[in-house]
Amino acid sequence: QKEVEQNSGPLSVPEGAIASLNCTYSDRGSQSFFWYRQYSGKSPELIMFIYSNGDKEDGRFTAQLNKASQYVSLLIRDSQPSDSATYLCAVNSAGNQFYFGTGTSLTVIP
Amino acid sequence: DAGVIQSPRHEVTEMGQEVTLRCKPISGHNSLFWYRQTMMRGLELLIYFNNNVPIDDSGMPEDRFSAKMPNASFSTLKIQPSEPRDSAVYFCASSSTRGSRSGHDEQFFGPGTRLTVL
Repeated sequence: QKEVEQNSGPLSVPEGAIASLNCTYSDRGSQSFFWYRQYSGKSPELIMFIYSNGDKEDGRFTAQLNKASQYVSLLIRDSQPSDSATYLCAVNSAGNQFYFGTGTSLTVIP
Repeated sequence: DAGVIQSPRHEVTEMGQEVTLRCKPISGHNSLFWYRQTMMRGLELLIYFNNNVPIDDSGMPEDRFSAKMPNASFSTLKIQPSEPRDSAVYFCASSSTRGSRSGHDEQFFGPGTRLTVL
């Protein structure tokens, strides 16, 4: 079992819709959770992080964490074509090791 | 700050040759990470350093790979001898654990080195 699992997609949503990206992790002691966005040919860049159960909102982005279910998600409201990218979920495990999922490819259709 | 700096940006070499990738972390960051990214395996952590000391190298695929961090502002990843299956994009990232509740703060990635081994 991989430490961090993501649906590879591709996920396609129309412009203006909500895009929902999901991630599960195996280490129940994991402490911090990150979402990175990676455009084709570029390096990953952090867009959200969350440490506590519940929701965290930043502009059009909302991160949701459920430690009991070992589940973290990213919602993108009012999706724009510029949101088309691969989204990587990353988890800092209890052993202080950093694990990335393989990423979900998102395409926002104008 | 210029961000994480990596060189070279592209490297094409022949099988059996030695390859050295270089990284300069963000000034003041005390953790440095080397990753390899391929379509098949995604982003894989190879090794990370904290305060210039290697903490976890379990991701280093084999003895052909070695990494050093002689000081806080420089690290190298060396592959000797290189093989075609080493072709990938290699990213260096840095972060600061100082004052971070989780022990790791966000990682800032360099632009990557695209390695092609023929």
